[in-house]
Amino acid sequence: DVKVTQSSRYLVKRTGEKVFLECVQDMDHENMFWYRQDPGLGLRLIYFSYDVKMKEKGDIPEGYSVSREKKERFSLILESASTNQTSMYLCASSSRTSGRALGELFFGEGSRLTVL
Amino acid sequence: GQSLEQPSEVTAVEGAIVQINCTYQTSGFYGLSWYQQHDGGAPTFLSYNALDGLEETGRFSSFLSRSDSYGYLLLQELQMKDSASYFCAVSPNMGRRALTFGSGTRLQVQP
Repeated sequence: DVKVTQSSRYLVKRTGEKVFLECVQDMDHENMFWYRQDPGLGLRLIYFSYDVKMKEKGDIPEGYSVSREKKERFSLILESASTNQTSMYLCASSSRTSGRALGELFFGEGSRLTVL
Repeated sequence: GQSLEQPSEVTAVEGAIVQINCTYQTSGFYGLSWYQQHDGGAPTFLSYNALDGLEETGRFSSFLSRSDSYGYLLLQELQMKDSASYFCAVSPNMGRRALTFGSGTRLQVQP
């Protein structure tokens, strides 16, 4: 069974703390993504990576950074958490090949972060 | 940039047919995807259209018209378990492998 695993389902952090969200996939996918989901706003892309050590900014990268040192692992870092980063964070992966794979992402269960 | 429009809520009864529309404005377009998300769950892939026309997968079908920048998801023989949020998403081009999502349509199926 293919899987994208996010390390924490629920986190509570204080303003100014550094936060690490980890994501691991077992499908040997080249592409990995971090989205943020808020009610009424859908899923918004924070960062994505199409190869080890490669990253590209998404639509809302401010306040976030990412790391991809190994193909299967993609980490999202909040250097100094703020209350407006309280949200559901979704990691996803996809294959690089063409066709249906272009539109098919595999998502993790999400990490719900609360910043107090 | 990219923007997608879909209705925020749809209500239907068990056994009925429902259509969820999606219009998009993008600087590039490669294909349209649909995802289902139950409350508290992860989004799961339903379908992908790169060419005009209808794609059928069991009770679900998806349609794309590239000339109209429009697509829809058709759900037939609705079941209570179909109550969920449905998102359309575009692949802007081959080079950008990340999808841009709409804000989602919450479908409520009533008995």
